[in-house]
Amino acid sequence: KAGVTQTPRYLIKTRGQQVTLSCSPISGHRSVSWYQQTPGQGLQFLFEYFSETQRNKGNFPGRFSGRQFSNSRSEMNVSTLELGDSALYLCASSYDRDQSYNEQFFGPGTRLTVL
Amino acid sequence: GDSVTQMEGPVTLSEEAFLTINCTYTATGYPSLFWYVQYPGEGLQLLLKATKADDKGSNKGFEATYRKETTSFHLEKGSVQVSDSAVYFCALARGSFQKLVFGTGTRLLVSP
Repeated sequence: KAGVTQTPRYLIKTRGQQVTLSCSPISGHRSVSWYQQTPGQGLQFLFEYFSETQRNKGNFPGRFSGRQFSNSRSEMNVSTLELGDSALYLCASSYDRDQSYNEQFFGPGTRLTVL
Repeated sequence: GDSVTQMEGPVTLSEEAFLTINCTYTATGYPSLFWYVQYPGEGLQLLLKATKADDKGSNKGFEATYRKETTSFHLEKGSVQVSDSAVYFCALARGSFQKLVFGTGTRLLVSP
């Protein structure tokens, strides 16, 4: 079974631009979560989507948004990029078979550099 | 809010040495606890987990025991290898929320 895939793997943007990152979960997984990893702040939860609905959200400004499609693929968008948005963005998927926590499987990440 | 504290690195060891990476947590209720590992240039891989008090998670020679009385989940390995060099993250999740709260990570460097 293929793992979580993220595209693109590397991205360079300039301040003020916007960017869209894509995540394809493991087949059959319905929950997709996004995390931001930076040297200063570590790993921080952005949001989680399940059945095309945002189910959980972290403490990030409204410039960060996401969506999920009917095939469970997810995108996240960052508008008006700032230098501090430079980070590794990780996507994770899980099956979510019941009401307990379900193991998340991570993709390799998208490395975003904002100049 | 929920938080995870783990020892700062880097931890530098010689091959076959004993490893301990400390992790303590603050959370309401009874979280599930995890150790993830990140190799250079890669995403996170689940190393082991424990879902209730006194559970011991184990994988690839690594072990960690969920200690509710000390709110700890320390990672141990009896004999490390060069291939264990990576960054290790302690994390928790509560209830049905698919949200992991991570510690800051501990870099492990193992020399031959």
